[in-house]
Amino acid sequence: EDQVTQSPEALRLQEGESSSLNCSYTVSGLRGLFWYRQDPGKGPEFLFTLYSAGEEKEKERLKATLTKKESFLHITAPKPEDSATYLCAVLLYGGSQGNLIFGKGTKLSVKP
Amino acid sequence: GAVVSQHPSWVICKSGTSVKIECRSLDFQATTMFWYRQFPKQSLMLMATSNEGSKATYEQGVEKDKFLINHASLTLSTLTVTSAHPEDSSFYICSAHLETGAVHFGNGTRLTVT
Repeated sequence: EDQVTQSPEALRLQEGESSSLNCSYTVSGLRGLFWYRQDPGKGPEFLFTLYSAGEEKEKERLKATLTKKESFLHITAPKPEDSATYLCAVLLYGGSQGNLIFGKGTKLSVKP
Repeated sequence: GAVVSQHPSWVICKSGTSVKIECRSLDFQATTMFWYRQFPKQSLMLMATSNEGSKATYEQGVEKDKFLINHASLTLSTLTVTSAHPEDSSFYICSAHLETGAVHFGNGTRLTVT
């Protein structure tokens, strides 16, 4: 069964305290892996797409990496405005284009 | 900036009535849009794939007669929740894929059925 697991479920950091969020996946055929940020009551905001193992992408304080089994979202020197739920999703081969399988997310809280 | 616009952002309706939610692609044409449902503290679950000019494709367990989808143009898909019941209360979100590979979501619609 295709599965996406994110850890930890919740993460509390002090401002400036760098850390990483994990997304592990067990899928039949990975077409792409997506990272999103979701604020309460809002739709997911697109951050990154990764397609192949070894690929890395950066945006401001965020850096996403991908291996054959998992992806990491590294947050460097986070600020309170980085507080949100971060979602990981995988797009599979063979399914419809919309067949994104989401993890349950990691709720990040950054305290000043 | 936002490339997928969803309206309304929230709606309260009485049990038995119908509610229409709109999803628009702002800067591009989307032959395919997707509708998700999200319960509190849960993952997004794909409900259906909306295809411009043809019937929508529904995921297993989603009632097509209850969740009517219309994709009448390349920039607009609508989801109508018919004869809504309290258990239909949820957060509904649409998405569309760009040619770049990015997948963008609308800001969601919070539906509350009383």
